[in-house]
Amino acid sequence: DTGVSQDPRHKITKRGQNVTFRCDPISEHNRLYWYRQTLGQGPEFLTYFQNEAQLEKSRLLSDRFSAERPKGSFSTLEIQRTEQGDSAMYLCASSLRQGIYNEQFFGPGTRLTVL
Amino acid sequence: DAKTTQPNSMESNEEEPVHLPCNHSTISGTDYIHWYRQLPSQGPEYVIHGLTSNVNNRMASLAIAEDRKSSTLILHRATLRDAAVYYCILDFGNEKLTFGTGTRLTIIP
Repeated sequence: DTGVSQDPRHKITKRGQNVTFRCDPISEHNRLYWYRQTLGQGPEFLTYFQNEAQLEKSRLLSDRFSAERPKGSFSTLEIQRTEQGDSAMYLCASSLRQGIYNEQFFGPGTRLTVL
Repeated sequence: DAKTTQPNSMESNEEEPVHLPCNHSTISGTDYIHWYRQLPSQGPEYVIHGLTSNVNNRMASLAIAEDRKSSTLILHRATLRDAAVYYCILDFGNEKLTFGTGTRLTIIP
């Protein structure tokens, strides 16, 4: 257990529905990241926050995706109008960057299946 | 961005050392070399990182070539719990980690 938790662990939804995932990072970490991982591939970066500010978004993050981190604590990732191509593992990570060193601690992920 | 190349898969016998190679011929002088691993059904976890010198920690050792164009992650005595996908990642000061497809390590009892 890395101290990063994600909820739910599994989500099955029908195409067109909205889904929301939650990530609780390690409490003193100021950085929070979202990644997506499809079968057989490594995780792909989606977005990251420094405290409550969303500082970078990948081109993978279409306008159906939105992420928030109110008050710089937990974060939510919402997908609107889900598509079958959104089926993947969604991973959250947090870190406390100290100079160049930036070890990221990952949660167990939320596996999304869109039917 | 500099890329890494790793074998798709490797096998090793339990309790023997494992050497996982990574090529990064386009590495720049300020890129750190990071290794993460992902156990089945878990998120990735940090293993080790280095810049120029060889590094040791309780999990593994990292041997970096003198020209920094390749590196090797060394597990000194593999156990069944080391079966995972191992990712070699270059960190050029960006916030994000850029994962490749990694090396799937199988440990044979």
